[in-house]
Amino acid sequence: DAGITQSPRHKVTETGTPVTLRCHQTENHRYMYWYRQDPGHGLRLIHYSYGVKDTDKGEVSDGYSVSRSKTEDFLLTLESATSSQTSVYFCAISETGSSGRYNEQFFGPGTRLTVL
Amino acid sequence: AQKVTQAQTEISVVEKEDVTLDCVYETRDTTYYLFWYKQPPSGELVFLIRRNSFDEQNEISGRYSWNFQKSTSSFNFTITASQVVDSAVYFCALNLRDSSYKLIFGSGTRLLVRP
Repeated sequence: DAGITQSPRHKVTETGTPVTLRCHQTENHRYMYWYRQDPGHGLRLIHYSYGVKDTDKGEVSDGYSVSRSKTEDFLLTLESATSSQTSVYFCAISETGSSGRYNEQFFGPGTRLTVL
Repeated sequence: AQKVTQAQTEISVVEKEDVTLDCVYETRDTTYYLFWYKQPPSGELVFLIRRNSFDEQNEISGRYSWNFQKSTSSFNFTITASQVVDSAVYFCALNLRDSSYKLIFGSGTRLLVRP
C-alpha cells in the first residue's frame, strides 16, 4: 500500500471556523491532490500540487487554500468553514516517470468533515 | 469538454450473477488514460485498472474484465460470478493529459451483491 495518511480522520466543526486537513506521504511522489466526495458527484478536484510550493486550482477551489512546504506534506485549509463544505476529503499522490508515462493515483483513507 | 458518465446509479444482483458496469467518457484528446477504482463500504479507494488510449485490448484479471471501445467512447467493467465482497461503489475516471494529470471521475455505480 502507498504510504499516505490523512489527519484528522473525522472532524466536526462550526460554521465560520478555520479548518486545516493534512495529507502526509512517504513515497516521495511529486504530485499531490485534494478531492472532495459528495453523493451524486463522485470525486471532484479542489487543488493540486506538482512540487514544493507549486500548487494550482481544481474545479471546486472556492473557499479552499492549500500549501506545500515539504514534498511529503500537503495541507488543505478552509478559511471559514460553511455547511456546503461538509464532505469526505481525499488526498491522492502520483508520480510520472521520466518518459512521461502516467501512473495511477493512490488515495489516502479520507477525512470526514462535518460543518454544523 | 472532459466528462465521464456512469449512468447506472445503483445495481443489485444475486451472488454468482455476472454484472456489467457502464462507463462512457468524453474527451477531445487523442492520448488519455482511463481508470476504474473500487470503494468498499470501509471507504477507501482501491485502484483496479489503468488503460491508455492506444491499447484497445480487453483485459481480464480473475473474475474482472474490462472492455475498452474507442468507437463508442466506452470502458465497461464486468464482474463474472459476483460475490458479496464485490459490493462497493465503483468509479470510472479519465486522466487529463495536461500539466495537472488530474482525474475526472464519474459519479459512481453502487453495486449490491445479495447472498
